[in-house]
Amino acid sequence: DSGVTQTPKHLITATGQRVTLRCSPRSGDLSVYWYQQSLDQGLQFLIHYYNGEERAKGNILERFSAQQFPDLHSELNLSSLELGDSALYFCASSVESGVSTDTQYFGPGTRLTVL
Amino acid sequence: GDSVTQMEGPVTLSEEAFLTINCTYTATGYPSLFWYVQYPGEGLQLLLKATKADDKGSNKGFEATYRKETTSFHLEKGSVQVSDSAVYFCALSDRRGGSNYKLTFGKGTLLTVNP
Repeated sequence: DSGVTQTPKHLITATGQRVTLRCSPRSGDLSVYWYQQSLDQGLQFLIHYYNGEERAKGNILERFSAQQFPDLHSELNLSSLELGDSALYFCASSVESGVSTDTQYFGPGTRLTVL
Repeated sequence: GDSVTQMEGPVTLSEEAFLTINCTYTATGYPSLFWYVQYPGEGLQLLLKATKADDKGSNKGFEATYRKETTSFHLEKGSVQVSDSAVYFCALSDRRGGSNYKLTFGKGTLLTVNP
């Protein structure tokens, strides 16, 4: 158990809908990263938040957004869903002491299926 | 941009066989290198890491050495077990990122170990 929790574990929805994925980082970790894992694209970085502020965006669609709340949990919002958004979404947290060797601890993921 | 190339497999071995999974990287800066493992139905777990040239990361019998001259970080284990069956990801985090230390992943290698 990494200490990172993600809910829900599975999500099945229809095209055009909107969903929210939730992530709670390990106690004491200020950084949250979101990644998407799909068969064709592999594991790709989406977005990074540090202590409530957006730090960087990766290959994140405009239909997707995220935020990190004062209690440090984070939510990834996916809207106008398309079939191609079906994937496993991971969040990872780290202490982020300013050193790139900080280990990122991954949650178990949310499997999104868009029908 | 940064990239990681690893042998895609699948790799099938008998128990107690020797394992090598090749990984090479491209990075403009001076990255930290990681191997993550994903067991079926689970999130990613850090297996080992190395932060500078000639560093050797090791854990659970697995080893990888950071080779700057060949830009490689090959994963090895002398004697695999059935319980090692999983998907293995090579990844890098580039220190040039400043305040963002996103991970760039290879496509993953599926390892199956037969009794």
